[in-house]
Amino acid sequence: TQLLEQSPQFLSIQEGENLTVYCNSSSVFSSLQWYRQEPGEGPVLLVTVVTGGEVKKLKRLTFQFGDARKDSSLHITAAQPGDTGLYLCAGEGNNAGNMLTFGGGTRLMVKP
Amino acid sequence: DAGITQSPRHKVTETGTPVTLRCHQTENHRYMYWYRQDPGHGLRLIHYSYGVKDTDKGEVSDGYSVSRSKTEDFLLTLESATSSQTSVYFCAISVYRYNEQFFGPGTRLTVL
Repeated sequence: TQLLEQSPQFLSIQEGENLTVYCNSSSVFSSLQWYRQEPGEGPVLLVTVVTGGEVKKLKRLTFQFGDARKDSSLHITAAQPGDTGLYLCAGEGNNAGNMLTFGGGTRLMVKP
Repeated sequence: DAGITQSPRHKVTETGTPVTLRCHQTENHRYMYWYRQDPGHGLRLIHYSYGVKDTDKGEVSDGYSVSRSKTEDFLLTLESATSSQTSVYFCAISVYRYNEQFFGPGTRLTVL
């Protein structure tokens, strides 16, 4: 069974601060996806990283896939209240059902 | 954009009653998934489908059954609802190259 551990579980910061969310596993994944979920809605895909060591940027968000494809991080620069939400990482492994393994999530609150 | 709807969006029911949740997609995506989301547990896969009449169990399938008689519809049934099945249920479809998932808006189910 593949597991993904996210840390921290909760994060409350002031507007303008930087933060990093981690997603770790002992398993290798074919790709790693990050989603953001707002209250009352389903998760929405932010990015997919595929290659070990890959870095992708989405405005103030920087995503990195570990060299061994077992871990990933999400760094937010100068957080804004609009970044508030639940951040989920999900790993794509080798399975018949194209299933994803989801981390437990990081709930981020950015205070103005 | 993939269109995916869930119905009902909210439901309150009594213990022991049957409940069916519906997921409908407007495109012909092959893979569909049902998840439940609970505080402290993240997203957990209940069942998934890889085609019409082709379904398989996920991580937390006990007490749930599914059916897929048409490509666009995936039904989740709680044969006899229990209070432990109070949760938010999300349907998702697998899209894009790395099986990224597109989620419906969710159904909040309360079993009294």
